[in-house]
Amino acid sequence: SQQGEEDPQALSIQEGENATMNCSYKTSINNLQWYRQNSGRGLVHLILIRSNEREKHSGRLRVTLDTSKKSSSLLITASRAADTASYFCATDSGTYKYIFGTGTRLKVLA
Amino acid sequence: GAGVSQSPSNKVTEKGKDVELRCDPISGHTALYWYRQSLGQGLEFLIYFQGNSAPDKSGLPSDRFSAERTGGSVSTLTIQRTQQEDSAVYLCASSETVTGELFFGEGSRLTVL
Repeated sequence: SQQGEEDPQALSIQEGENATMNCSYKTSINNLQWYRQNSGRGLVHLILIRSNEREKHSGRLRVTLDTSKKSSSLLITASRAADTASYFCATDSGTYKYIFGTGTRLKVLA
Repeated sequence: GAGVSQSPSNKVTEKGKDVELRCDPISGHTALYWYRQSLGQGLEFLIYFQGNSAPDKSGLPSDRFSAERTGGSVSTLTIQRTQQEDSAVYLCASSETVTGELFFGEGSRLTVL
């Protein structure tokens, strides 16, 4: 079963705009991670946020976590065509079984 | 090695045949994960290893699926009597600890005719 659900399923924006995608999950977590996937193959880790953290930054990425709402958001600022990919959140509920969401397909138009 | 290595990268097999997929994790990584991804879908958890033991096998879809890990390193995912619904990309990931970042291989694309 899926723990995380990303929203929207697909997003299309112009280069230079910001992209925001959301992840909702069902059970309490130890940490939440965001990954990126190009062309349906290997995933690349973007950022990890722990349950006691509320916000984290990495370059053009900003992640927030609201444990009371069981949700997280990933913001990509000043998007580039190269950011076109699928983005997934993954949660660990303490069982070390990382459960991935359904993903958001982002398309950045040049 | 520098990264997680999976083989074969592509496998086409006939229904009913057995297949073995191999994952060579990053040296020193104690945790190893197998996921399955069908076309356009999210990742489905299959199994994870801590060292050579598999505390959680709950994601294996049926008893046709099995996995082992030897020497705390290489892992093999075996699918017996393959079915068309087994067609997917099988992704392996390793992690230095069970609470950290997962490093993924490029996956093995399985097509069952």
